[in-house]
Amino acid sequence: DIQMTQSPSSLSASVGDRVTITCRASQSINTHLNWYQQKPGKAPKLLIYAASSLHSGVPSRFRGSGSGTDFTLTISSLQPEDFATYYCQQSYNIPRTFGKGTKVEIK
Amino acid sequence: EVQVVESGGGLVQPGGSLRLSCAASGFTVSNTPMNWVRQAPGKGLQCVSVISSGGITYSADSVKGRFTISRDNSRNTLYLQMDSLRAEDTAVYYCARDRGDSGLDWGQGTLVTVSS
Repeated sequence: DIQMTQSPSSLSASVGDRVTITCRASQSINTHLNWYQQKPGKAPKLLIYAASSLHSGVPSRFRGSGSGTDFTLTISSLQPEDFATYYCQQSYNIPRTFGKGTKVEIK
Repeated sequence: EVQVVESGGGLVQPGGSLRLSCAASGFTVSNTPMNWVRQAPGKGLQCVSVISSGGITYSADSVKGRFTISRDNSRNTLYLQMDSLRAEDTAVYYCARDRGDSGLDWGQGTLVTVSS
């Protein structure tokens, strides 16, 4: 199985801050990488697919980049509704595997 | 509109069985890969079972021989038969339609609690 390593596991930030989360795959997955946001008690929601494509309805402050083994999710200006946990997921092969998550908390 | 709705979760004793259902609408279950993904309390996401459009199945080592994924094309429904349940199987179980590079479509989840 492909291992997905996310960092950091948590971070504290203020509204308006720029936030960067990284995800590393244990082998090259080209751009087969998706990002999700999850809030407590809710199912994950798709933010970014194919490494850099913005899912419909997702604000443009979310940006994904990377290819091969290294990927980044950037939130350009953190908003109150962005405090949540973020997961990366590879869609290169089966089984789909996820990073352990990054919890974004209010500073 | 694409939708998946899970049901069948609940409290079960260790060693017991449970069958989860995932009713799909807006798409055909038999034409798309489908996943069961679980999330233990306070933990991350783990894919436990997959069925391909061709009917090939995958199970994570932690559930192999105990969990069985299947589908009923006439009911457009996905199932997860869970036997020999253990405390460590306690989790929210999500059904997810797999759109490959376009990501996963998730249900709302169903909670399974294994406890005596």
